[in-house]
Amino acid sequence: NAGVMQNPRHLVRRRGQEARLRCSPMKGHSHVYWYRQLPEEGLKFMVYLQKENIIDESGMPKERFSAEFPKEGPSILRIQQVVRGDSAAYFCASSLDENSPLHFGNGTRLTVT
Amino acid sequence: GQQLNQSPQSMFIQEGEDVSMNCTSSSIFNTWLWYKQDPGEGPVLLIALYKAGELTSNGRLTAQFGITRKDSFLNISASIPSDVGIYFCAGHPINSGGSNYKLTFGKGTLLTVNP
Repeated sequence: NAGVMQNPRHLVRRRGQEARLRCSPMKGHSHVYWYRQLPEEGLKFMVYLQKENIIDESGMPKERFSAEFPKEGPSILRIQQVVRGDSAAYFCASSLDENSPLHFGNGTRLTVT
Repeated sequence: GQQLNQSPQSMFIQEGEDVSMNCTSSSIFNTWLWYKQDPGEGPVLLIALYKAGELTSNGRLTAQFGITRKDSFLNISASIPSDVGIYFCAGHPINSGGSNYKLTFGKGTLLTVNP
């Protein structure tokens, strides 16, 4: 019974490059959430998606960041033209519905050099 | 945004000791959750609290939803080395517009257990 799967676990990008982070929710879950964790901080909500729909992106920066959850395949968090301040751990979570507990993946640790 | 004040920031204890940590907010929360995060891993839900005054246990862990709805505590009894990790409180503020997915997290308590 696989949990939330994220890849890659670690990602290194140079300033100006693009970062693509992938998340496959738990089996049977159609609600996906992305959170960001800066060093020594708690997690902060970025975006909530259902299949082919962005439900709430109020926590996501307006520029350079985008997210999708296509009909087929994993959810993707895309960061264009990365800067050093984007270095963080990005966690994906999924749930059965929007009132059920969130189950988190093991995160992607992005380092921008 | 909402702020959750979690204390202490870190704790160093001996195996077998009991541990207590807490979380406070200036705002009322509808839900309190406690997560544990191991190094390099994602947060794992330990206990969820949904009603003011609620006291819930999960093995050696006990958590309570404060009656003012502005605080919660987590106790770990008879600590063991595998309790090491970062413990986060999280919750849904009352003014989150019913957005139960938009959790507010504290900054965490780092627990170290000496064998």
